[in-house]
Amino acid sequence: DTEVTQTPKHLVMGMTNKKSLKCEQHMGHRAMYWYKQKAKKPPELMFVYSYEKLSINESVPSRFSPECPNSSLLNLHLHALQPEDSALYLCASSVTPRDGYTFGSGTRLTVV
Amino acid sequence: AQTVTQSQPEMSVQEAETVTLSCTYDTSENNYYLFWYKQPPSRQMILVIRQEAYKQQNATENRFSVNFQKAAKSFSLKISDSQLGDTAMYFCAFINLTGANSKLTFGKGITLSVRP
Repeated sequence: DTEVTQTPKHLVMGMTNKKSLKCEQHMGHRAMYWYKQKAKKPPELMFVYSYEKLSINESVPSRFSPECPNSSLLNLHLHALQPEDSALYLCASSVTPRDGYTFGSGTRLTVV
Repeated sequence: AQTVTQSQPEMSVQEAETVTLSCTYDTSENNYYLFWYKQPPSRQMILVIRQEAYKQQNATENRFSVNFQKAAKSFSLKISDSQLGDTAMYFCAFINLTGANSKLTFGKGITLSVRP
């Protein structure tokens, strides 16, 4: 298995909803990442987990809450989002940074 | 801090021809890697090619090759025999391996269109 799988592929949520994005990989990668990407822009790093511990939080608002329950799974919990949070959310994983990251195909999030 | 610059927002190439995408970067570090990623309309970011800063030999992956000029801090991507499936956004990226928390830094990207 050489994939990073993200679910759901599309999500529409209201500003008062609570939802979660899921990311899964079975490649034995011990680093996992969440990125946010607006249209025609580069991905922006949000969080990095290394060996299931949060190692980088790029000053992301608390309405985004990451979780890494085990070495294969990464979640992003969403609560009280704003319309400007609408974007493509990408998950990635890596063995070591020098190997490059393997990305999932993302969740397209729309906040209404 | 490191920066990655892709100054061309868009390019177009005829199918079967060769195209070169430009990228420059700035860093004071010596231990780093450079990458080109492709993002087609399907959204998934795909690693195209990578280059270790310590290697003088330019990396090659089938129709994709790089011209790595370390002194000039330049890392361009050449796509030979362009195919319609090469239509995508291409991002140049840099990672510094010095320090505990390495982060991948992306350029702004370039939209490449391959014309039939």
